[in-house]
Amino acid sequence: DAKTTQPPSMDCAEGRAANLPCNHSTISGNEYVYWYRQIHSQGPQYIIHGLKNNETNEMASLIITEDRKSSTLILPHATLRDTAVYYCIVRAISGNTGKLIFGQGTTLQVKP
Amino acid sequence: NAGVTQTPKFQVLKTGQSMTLQCAQDMNHNSMYWYRQDPGMGLRLIYYSASEGTTDKGEVPNGYNVSRLNKREFSLRLESAAPSQTSVYFCASSEIGLAKNIQYFGAGTRLSVL
Repeated sequence: DAKTTQPPSMDCAEGRAANLPCNHSTISGNEYVYWYRQIHSQGPQYIIHGLKNNETNEMASLIITEDRKSSTLILPHATLRDTAVYYCIVRAISGNTGKLIFGQGTTLQVKP
Repeated sequence: NAGVTQTPKFQVLKTGQSMTLQCAQDMNHNSMYWYRQDPGMGLRLIYYSASEGTTDKGEVPNGYNVSRLNKREFSLRLESAAPSQTSVYFCASSEIGLAKNIQYFGAGTRLSVL
């Protein structure tokens, strides 16, 4: 699985968009980009994933660059409850056992 | 729908004691996982079970054993606890396949070994 690089921490004002970057320059053609988050003391929670097209769901949007070497998770209107550690994970879906390799993630602090 | 349930939520052990952490999922998932998370760190995979009847080592398996009791249940056993095993333990489950492979996590077991 490709290695990812994320900034250790970011701040965002409540109500503004939070844009969390992730670099994955060694990503392979069959690898997807997944985002999970972990609110303090809780188990990680799935947010979104994508292969090469931009994706949107009720929680967030995922923008993947055309060369697939980086991506951005967008929380359109951040709230205090979005304060969490956000993990970007790159892995293939098929042909493996589903293991996730977590890095250090980005700690997002949403401020009033 | 409970999702992934872990018991106990908290546990304190003395060095050398043994215990089993229990995990059950009600989503009919084939795959289950055990992770540990040390303070300020990301999760590390201990063991996983791709399907009922199979188990495999993850990144940090030493000092642990697992049992996939049936499709619903996956337990983690510490035979002789050590202070280095003080951590938060998370169980997860997922369905494997194209467009799937989303892992669902339990609330965690906070273990202290004195």
